[in-house]
Amino acid sequence: DYVMTQSPESLSVSLGERVTITCRSSQSVLNSLNNRNYLVWYQQKPGQPPNVLIYWASTRKSGVPDRFSGSGSGTHFTLTINSLQAEDVAVYYCQQYFTTPYTFGQGTQLEIK
Amino acid sequence: QISLKESGPAVVKSTQTLKLTCTFSGISLTSSGVRVSWIRQPPGKALEWLARIDGDGERFYNTSLKTRLTVFKDTSKNQVLLTMTNMDPVDTATYYCVCHAHDSNHFYNWFDPWGQGTLVTVSS
Repeated sequence: DYVMTQSPESLSVSLGERVTITCRSSQSVLNSLNNRNYLVWYQQKPGQPPNVLIYWASTRKSGVPDRFSGSGSGTHFTLTINSLQAEDVAVYYCQQYFTTPYTFGQGTQLEIK
Repeated sequence: QISLKESGPAVVKSTQTLKLTCTFSGISLTSSGVRVSWIRQPPGKALEWLARIDGDGERFYNTSLKTRLTVFKDTSKNQVLLTMTNMDPVDTATYYCVCHAHDSNHFYNWFDPWGQGTLVTVSS
């Protein structure tokens, strides 16, 4: 199984600051046939199911604020939130969908400092 | 617009079999290429994918849980069901039914939308 490792596990950031969350896969999730990385980022707020932020590692879902961006390739990925807002308090998960079993990172809890 | 609703017992006892139902609207389970998964989340912990079933009936399972899991569908009721045998307190979690993201041509393997989830507590 592909193991997804996120860092940090939690972080506390001031409003307006930049946030960077890292996700590493134990094996590459890059498909060389289509040059796509099979990596998605979710945001989960308390008491709610997760919501998609970014798919194909860097494609922002329609309606997601443009302060959210994704980057990376192969085994190393980053979710960046530019100018943190209060409503961004949540847990963030990465997930690989390159192959079954689909696997998630352990999550990163984001709080306001 | 697709919506999914999970239903099932709130409490099961150790060693019992859990049966969960996911009822769909906005999409038919007979649609070409449709994919549905189950995912769970223990309280305060990470997400764990459990199983997937496709419109053509093909199934995929979590490696460590596959001996305990069965996923199947009832197309007449537009439902996907999941059974998990030999329940243990560590299986206490919110269980989500999810539709795989899709466009007009293809279903993909990330999850969108999600049901609201159903909390299942396993008592010893």
